[in-house]
Amino acid sequence: NAGVTQTPKFRVLKTGQSMTLLCAQDMNHEYMYWYRQDPGMGLRLIHYSVGEGTTAKGEVPDGYNVSRLKKQNFLLGLESAAPSQTSVYFCASSTQSTGTSLYNEQFFGPGTRLTVL
Amino acid sequence: DAKTTQPTSMDCAEGRAANLPCNHSTISGNEYVYWYRQIHSQGPQYIIHGLKNNETNEMASLIITEDRKSSTLILPHATLRDTAVYYCILAYNTDKLIFGTGTRLQVFP
Repeated sequence: NAGVTQTPKFRVLKTGQSMTLLCAQDMNHEYMYWYRQDPGMGLRLIHYSVGEGTTAKGEVPDGYNVSRLKKQNFLLGLESAAPSQTSVYFCASSTQSTGTSLYNEQFFGPGTRLTVL
Repeated sequence: DAKTTQPTSMDCAEGRAANLPCNHSTISGNEYVYWYRQIHSQGPQYIIHGLKNNETNEMASLIITEDRKSSTLILPHATLRDTAVYYCILAYNTDKLIFGTGTRLQVFP
């Protein structure tokens, strides 16, 4: 199994350009997440999805859109990139939470390094 | 904001136990304590989690105080490959993890 994969690994954009980051998982996980990590900081949740066709906002959703058309894929879009969106983006997935007595670890991808000039 | 407090950095000699503390004085009754680590800008990796009781797995042990206001992650025999940033996180369930800045553990020969 490949686990969680992210495409592309690196990208440089100019201010105002748009792009889509692709996350794919082959573990049949229900939940998927997008995080960003700025230098010297912890990860911050952008958006997440608890199932195909559903998405929800995380801690820092502004400037991003997401789609979960297929269970195995979670797309993160930047419609008009800004220098403040320069960051490393991580995707993760996990199985469905079935109550507070069961925790399902999140599996992370290798990250996408995005620079916006 | 993260609800946990961790030292910014720690050192540990290879082969010795690494004890990473975490304070979470405002923890709620049904919040779990989770530990993840991030090796050199890779994606974070799950280590262990617990609610009240001490936990152990093949990677580490988690010791939670009786009042649950603090915990310690123990790597029993640290290796150079354990050099990483370690995150202590409180959450109710899978989809609400909030990462702080963590503890940078440096294991030296």
